[in-house]
Amino acid sequence: GQQLNQSPQSMFIQEGEDVSMNCTSSSIFNTWLWYKQDPGEGPVLLIALYKAGELTSNGRLTAQFGITRKDSFLNISASIPSDVGIYFCAGQDNNDMRFGAGTRLTVKP
Amino acid sequence: DSGVTQTPKHLITATGQRVTLRCSPRSGDLSVYWYQQSLDQGLQFLIQYYNGEERAKGNILERFSAQQFPDLHSELNLSSLELGDSALYFCASSASGGGQPQHFGDGTRLSIL
Repeated sequence: GQQLNQSPQSMFIQEGEDVSMNCTSSSIFNTWLWYKQDPGEGPVLLIALYKAGELTSNGRLTAQFGITRKDSFLNISASIPSDVGIYFCAGQDNNDMRFGAGTRLTVKP
Repeated sequence: DSGVTQTPKHLITATGQRVTLRCSPRSGDLSVYWYQQSLDQGLQFLIQYYNGEERAKGNILERFSAQQFPDLHSELNLSSLELGDSALYFCASSASGGGQPQHFGDGTRLSIL
């Protein structure tokens, strides 16, 4: 099935920098989700967004549900080494769920 | 620790064979979701069960089937295996049937030789 367009594919940043990644779709979703996956482990839910325009924070993470319901972004402020991993967006509409290809984040100390 | 247990961690088998992957959801969660993660297709939703009943179906092949038992553990059966079925298979659980997968297991890595 069609996946979401997630960008960038990878990012290399210095510790302390802010990070931004986004996800777009040609379809409308009722829910946007952001997950983080560490090597050898399953994804962990970071933030769930349920309403167009919603802006939600979880510590240094902030995500927004786009007004058109076709996009979402995730910001990480003041990155630290443990932020390293792959971040996935996911859009959910009723019983259908689609994932982005992931953004691989590397943080240099 | 997510509380979701998947067994086995690794499975190596040959084309044409059949395997069963097992998942025990987090205590108290009634929904179980199955996902396939491969290098070329990324994460794909396969199927969801809620309290023993099929709730949603994604990109699950006809060669694949799943079920959720009365004790809420779930099994994913993969048959007539092909090389392209090599992937990580994740199970996730959530408390309700209409929510989102919140707790993922560490996956079963399936290698088809």
